[in-house]
Amino acid sequence: NAGVTQTPKFQVLKTGQSMTLQCAQDMNHEYMSWYRQDPGMGLRLIHYSVGAGITDQGEVPNGYNVSRSTTEDFPLRLLSAAPSQTSVYFCASKSFTYEQYFGPGTRLTVT
Amino acid sequence: AQSVTQPDIHITVSEGASLELRCNYSYGATPYLFWYVQSPGQGLQLLLKYFSGDTLVQGIKGFEAEFKRSQSSFNLRKPSVHWSDAAEYFCAVGAMGSYIPTFGRGTSLIVHP
Repeated sequence: NAGVTQTPKFQVLKTGQSMTLQCAQDMNHEYMSWYRQDPGMGLRLIHYSVGAGITDQGEVPNGYNVSRSTTEDFPLRLLSAAPSQTSVYFCASKSFTYEQYFGPGTRLTVT
Repeated sequence: AQSVTQPDIHITVSEGASLELRCNYSYGATPYLFWYVQSPGQGLQLLLKYFSGDTLVQGIKGFEAEFKRSQSSFNLRKPSVHWSDAAEYFCAVGAMGSYIPTFGRGTSLIVHP
């Protein structure tokens, strides 16, 4: 099993550009989520999904879109990047026993 | 709503010394509790979890944690710290039927040789 994979590992965007962060898991988990991690702020939930076709907002959803067309994939879209979105982004999937499995992260810089 | 507090932002210990990282939670019923570790530049990895039963749980890498309902705490311990334990540690609380766990802000562990 590869677990949770994320691409790219690093990305630099200019303000106003859009991009998609990819996330995939091969554990057949129904629940997947996206977090951002900023110094001193811990992990903040952006969006989550409880299954294919079902998504919902987390704590900090503004400026981000998600969709879930398959169980395996849960991409995060930045519609118009802003410097405030400079962060490290983690995708996670959750087993039926409630423990979460995290991807290695994407470090995004918006200039 | 559930919440998690990790009172210590940074903890510094000498290699070989014992370690205790504090975690306090707020939740009305019996929570599911977790500790995760994040090494520099990596994602989070589950160290251990508590759902029910024995209040002292063993995890990977020699860590253990004790659930104390009366104190609403789930402190992480290790009897002898190794330099490779230097990392960020996150406590998290979940609830049966809830898809959304709540994470603490993390404690950064620094290990001196």
